[in-house]
Amino acid sequence: RKEVEQDPGPFNVPEGATVAFNCTYSNSASQSFFWYRQDCRKEPKLLMSVYSSGNEDGRFTAQLNRASQYISLLIRDSKLSDSATYLCVVNLAMRFGAGTRLTVKP
Amino acid sequence: GAGVSQSPSNKVTEKGKDVELRCDPISGHTALYWYRQSLGQGLEFLIYFQGNSAPDKSGLPSDRFSAERTGGSVSTLTIQRTQQEDSAVYLCASSSEATGMNTEAFFGQGTRLTVV
Repeated sequence: RKEVEQDPGPFNVPEGATVAFNCTYSNSASQSFFWYRQDCRKEPKLLMSVYSSGNEDGRFTAQLNRASQYISLLIRDSKLSDSATYLCVVNLAMRFGAGTRLTVKP
Repeated sequence: GAGVSQSPSNKVTEKGKDVELRCDPISGHTALYWYRQSLGQGLEFLIYFQGNSAPDKSGLPSDRFSAERTGGSVSTLTIQRTQQEDSAVYLCASSSEATGMNTEAFFGQGTRLTVV
């Protein structure tokens, strides 16, 4: 089993849609979690950290479920500029999921 | 600059040659990570360094791959006897600590390696 697993997508959604991604992890000792965004042919950049109580940043909401060992990212009111690959990261030595590709269409 | 710097940005090499990829982390960052990303694929963990601890080499795909970090700063990833399947973008990242709730890893722009 991979340490971090994501649905690779692609997710093709219309503008304004709400879309959610999940990511599961295998190491129950993992302590910190993140979502990164990677645009085509660019390096990944931090989107948001994931806190135990869940956290929100504008249109983005991140959740952590330790019992089931998964994290999620919810994007509301999708914009064209949200089109990218979203990578979940589980920290113990920053293990990345394979990424979920999102395309928002007009 | 203040970011992670990688060199070269592009490298074309012949099969069987050795290559060295360099990473200059953000000053003061104790953790340094190397990843490999093939076209359209996710980030494959290779190795990570944390301070003076022994590096976690569990992601290195073969004994042709090695990395070192001198003086806790600059790191070099060496690939010996390159093969065509080594072609990928090699990304380096650094962070101020290896674990922690707000430990953001900053990435360099990568070295695109092409083995012909």
